[in-house]
Amino acid sequence: DQQVKQNSPSLSVQEGRISILNCDYTNSMFDYFLWYKKYPAEGPTFLISISSIKDKNEDGRFTVFLNKSAKHLSLHIVPSQPGDSAVYFCAASAQETSGSRLTFGEGTQLTVNP
Amino acid sequence: DARVTQTPRHKVTEMGQEVTMRCQPILGHNTVFWYRQTMMQGLELLAYFRNRAPLDDSGMPKDRFSAEMPDATLATLKIQPSEPRDSAVYFCASGLVLFRLGRSQPQHFGDGTRLSIL
Repeated sequence: DQQVKQNSPSLSVQEGRISILNCDYTNSMFDYFLWYKKYPAEGPTFLISISSIKDKNEDGRFTVFLNKSAKHLSLHIVPSQPGDSAVYFCAASAQETSGSRLTFGEGTQLTVNP
Repeated sequence: DARVTQTPRHKVTEMGQEVTMRCQPILGHNTVFWYRQTMMQGLELLAYFRNRAPLDDSGMPKDRFSAEMPDATLATLKIQPSEPRDSAVYFCASGLVLFRLGRSQPQHFGDGTRLSIL
């Protein structure tokens, strides 16, 4: 039972354009969502998070949007840079019941072309 | 920047051998997680600890895997006996859970141990 799904295994965009990565979840108990970025041979690095009491969180070039009714979140990167090329993982947690354990999506490989 | 440290970074061994992976969490973090990444399963949670006590190890094959925290600065994941299907990258992560609010800060990951069982 895949509770967090990233349906696009890969995404390719041009430098300077917007990258939009999508994530869907099924567990209505999830109330905290995160995006991690992973380079080869390194561990995932935290990028940005959002609590279920919000629908948007912004940090520099990165913005995460949460649509609770659709059980959908997305990560926008504007403008995209070649250094953003990495695998992006969406993760979710049900804080009250699971005490911060994360459930991850399968990841999306983002390639930003110069 | 504080980091989660994992050793060894790479391990190649033969089937049946014991494998021990180590993790030094970030000082001050009260929760430690073990994840496994495979091509087929993505990142899956194996076990996690809070204040050194095991909270959930339901993701681990119990007959061959064991996870412990002998002290606050060391977490270990052991496989005995190892099998080829255990080949994967094993990540340790640590985080701080704020009990009163039931909120946690993001988990921070180590760079993983790439395990190959021949």
